[in-house]
Amino acid sequence: DTAVSQTPKYLVTQMGNDKSIKCEQNLGHDTMYWYKQDSKKFLKIMFSYNNKELIINETVPNRFSPKSPDKAHLNLHINSLELGDSAVYFCASRESTTASPLHFGNGTRLTVT
Amino acid sequence: AQSVTQLDSHVSVSEGTPVLLRCNYSSSYSPSLFWYVQHPNKGLQLLLKYTSAATLVKGINGFEAEFKKSETSFHLTKPSAHMSDAAEYFCVVSDRSGQAGTALIFGKGTTLSVSS
Repeated sequence: DTAVSQTPKYLVTQMGNDKSIKCEQNLGHDTMYWYKQDSKKFLKIMFSYNNKELIINETVPNRFSPKSPDKAHLNLHINSLELGDSAVYFCASRESTTASPLHFGNGTRLTVT
Repeated sequence: AQSVTQLDSHVSVSEGTPVLLRCNYSSSYSPSLFWYVQHPNKGLQLLLKYTSAATLVKGINGFEAEFKKSETSFHLTKPSAHMSDAAEYFCVVSDRSGQAGTALIFGKGTTLSVSS
């Protein structure tokens, strides 16, 4: 009965590779997000989607491309990985009502060597 | 634009003593406010939320927070700390402008250490 699930949990790869992280939610929420948590634990929003439409696209490199095939899924593809991309990436979802909280996945720890 | 400031990067308490984690916010609209907890190498769990109902909000595990509009604060408290409370705590603000997909903005976090 997992609410927000992301795969993989760990991702170790070399510089220059392309990788994807998948996220699915079964809560019936309209809005999904990607957050990046750096080594100092700071959480920064990257993208948000509402009903498959891109709403927020923060200043992240073009190498990061989100894709939402339907409102229950939001995947993150990263091209030409760099050392600085190493972080924990969290997927989250919420209802589109403004008072609703975020429901987080367990995170994907990406390590670029 | 909204922002949130957690006033302490690290708080240390002894088991059984009160916990106070401080948070100030700024928001163009009437805000919704949340506290999340993250235990080491774990995901983020919602502790409590304020959404314009009662100003004193009770959450899980004995935590509560009080919304004070005049002070633009939303401090998190617990009467008696347990060892299991040791974790990272995040204060989060969301404006209630009504736009779908609005960002929730996180504070930089407060590390709570509990000693026996």
